[in-house]
Amino acid sequence: GNSVTQMEGPVTLSEEAFLTINCTYTATGYPSLFWYVQYPGEGLQLLLKATKADDKGSNKGFEATYRKETTSFHLEKGSVQVSDSAVYFCALSESGNQFYFGTGTSLTVIP
Amino acid sequence: GAGVSQSPSNKVTEKGKDVELRCDPISGHTALYWYRQSLGQGLEFLIYFQGNSAPDKSGLPSDRFSAERTGGSVSTLTIQRTQQEDSAVYLCASSFGSLTYGYTFGSGTRLTVV
Repeated sequence: GNSVTQMEGPVTLSEEAFLTINCTYTATGYPSLFWYVQYPGEGLQLLLKATKADDKGSNKGFEATYRKETTSFHLEKGSVQVSDSAVYFCALSESGNQFYFGTGTSLTVIP
Repeated sequence: GAGVSQSPSNKVTEKGKDVELRCDPISGHTALYWYRQSLGQGLEFLIYFQGNSAPDKSGLPSDRFSAERTGGSVSTLTIQRTQQEDSAVYLCASSFGSLTYGYTFGSGTRLTVV
């Protein structure tokens, strides 16, 4: 079956630190991979996506590369800001009928 | 509308009562999804509507849960005889039905069963 495993939080970083949130997946076919972000009090927002192996999704300084050989889609940012404090969800979908989400990783960035 | 609208934003109900949660998707989005987010858990798929096709109800946890989508637009999720384990944030999302665009989520309805 399909599933997503992401690193457990919470993660606390100082401003300008490097961020990595690990995400690995299991899929029966060839899924598209996504990172969603949920800021406090808001709904989930699409952060970035990649639809095939070796694709790199990027947005707002965040990047993630679709690695088929390691079944991973790790989220990275070179220099985090306080405004990046949120919960981050890794997700996959093969058909668009259903997304499979990880449990979320809470990130707090302190000044 | 500009985004996915859900109402109410918060709902407290007594155990055993029925509740209805509403989702107003983005205009033109043909696909609509309901998810449940329990404390400390990921998002749990509940149901998916695509156009006029029969909905995918495979995620509904029990027959106390049902959903409908009228006129291909607004959707209502109904939970009958609520239980404390139903307490969660219920999220609605809509899309054009293509993976290219991902989903747009509403802010959710926080349901508390006391």
